[in-house]
Amino acid sequence: SQQGEEDPQALSIQEGENATMNCSYKTSINNLQWYRQNSGRGLVHLILIRSNEREKHSGRLRVTLDTSKKSSSLLITASRAADTASYFCATGDRRTSGSRLTFGEGTQLTVNP
Amino acid sequence: KAGVTQTPRYLIKTRGQQVTLSCSPISGHRSVSWYQQTPGQGLQFLFEYFSETQRNKGNFPGRFSGRQFSNSRSEMNVSTLELGDSALYLCASSQTSGYNEQFFGPGTRLTVL
Repeated sequence: SQQGEEDPQALSIQEGENATMNCSYKTSINNLQWYRQNSGRGLVHLILIRSNEREKHSGRLRVTLDTSKKSSSLLITASRAADTASYFCATGDRRTSGSRLTFGEGTQLTVNP
Repeated sequence: KAGVTQTPRYLIKTRGQQVTLSCSPISGHRSVSWYQQTPGQGLQFLFEYFSETQRNKGNFPGRFSGRQFSNSRSEMNVSTLELGDSALYLCASSQTSGYNEQFFGPGTRLTVL
């Protein structure tokens, strides 16, 4: 079963606008990762934020993490049509060892030209 | 460096057959994880292999198995295929076992008829 929930499930915006996606999770985590998936293809790693970090930037991406609320958000600024994809958050449970990730249900982002 | 490769990319099988999928991780990566993605269940962890040993296992029946070779390449096998096994199977590699970035391959699309 999916640990996380992502909100919204679908988001449609115009090019140049910002897109914000939220992710909630249930357990204590080591880190949280965001991935992008284009139409039924492999996942592309976007960013990893550790449990002791609150904010992280990478290019047009900004990720925040609030461990007290068990939530994270991904902001894509100045969106482009090429950003159209599904976005997933994934967490590593602190209670388990290894590389097991639990994924959220994903947000489908559509950026209209 | 070459990315994660998976073969074959597409596969059509009939119920009752078995199938073997292959994954070659990024050079130098020693951990390989497998995930199943379906529209109904989303992305679910199957298992992880590290140094030729299964490190973690998800909640899947014994029909799903895997192994890892000394060169870190991994295979997963599904026996006695069921219609519900139709899915995108994704392989991910990371440098070590633990909560690091995982890099995904393009996936193998399995259709069971």
